[in-house]
Amino acid sequence: DGGITQSPKYLFRKEGQNVTLSCEQNLNHDAMYWYRQDPGQGLRLIYYSQIVNDFQKGDIAEGYSVSREKKESFPLTVTSAQKNPTAFYLCASSMGQRHEKLFFGSGTQLSVL
Amino acid sequence: GQQVMQIPQYQHVQEGEDFTTYCNSSTTLSNIQWYKQRPGGHPVFLIQLVKSGEVKKQKRLTFQFGEAKKNSSLHITATQTTDVGTYFCAVTRPGTYKYIFGTGTRLKVLA
Repeated sequence: DGGITQSPKYLFRKEGQNVTLSCEQNLNHDAMYWYRQDPGQGLRLIYYSQIVNDFQKGDIAEGYSVSREKKESFPLTVTSAQKNPTAFYLCASSMGQRHEKLFFGSGTQLSVL
Repeated sequence: GQQVMQIPQYQHVQEGEDFTTYCNSSTTLSNIQWYKQRPGGHPVFLIQLVKSGEVKKQKRLTFQFGEAKKNSSLHITATQTTDVGTYFCAVTRPGTYKYIFGTGTRLKVLA
């Protein structure tokens, strides 16, 4: 089955620790996105990538980093500089053409110990 | 930056009642998409509107794009318990491939 896989489903971070969230897609999509969702709120864009080896900051990129070394993979690192990391993180992908719909993974819930 | 406001934030309806959520932008939009997120789930694409004044229907759901392409609405006729979830609109920031989401409307349907 084609789709987007996020792992792990739940992740706990200790203070001062960097953690990496995985996002893999086998849809052959060019574009990939990371969103953050806080309880009862909308989705805020962290980073997005239109092609391999290129990515752009979204609206709330501070305290996060990404890489796009392969078309299928777009991992997100939550660094110790992100002081309020507890949230639901959603990865999405699209074909990369303008106005294409987004396909979302099932998300990772990150909590701080 | 571009902002997209959705109202209402919450809506509780009795099963069988109608429901409408509105999405408003201060700038002219090139397109608008609608997504549904079930409780504990992830957003799923419902539809995209591109043309001024466009109206699209999916069974009990009716989607409209304003004539000025600055607002949109999603109307559900005779809600069912399966309609429970949060409905988001999303727009593309001009000149970019950034998808900006509205704040969402959380719908609860009381049986």
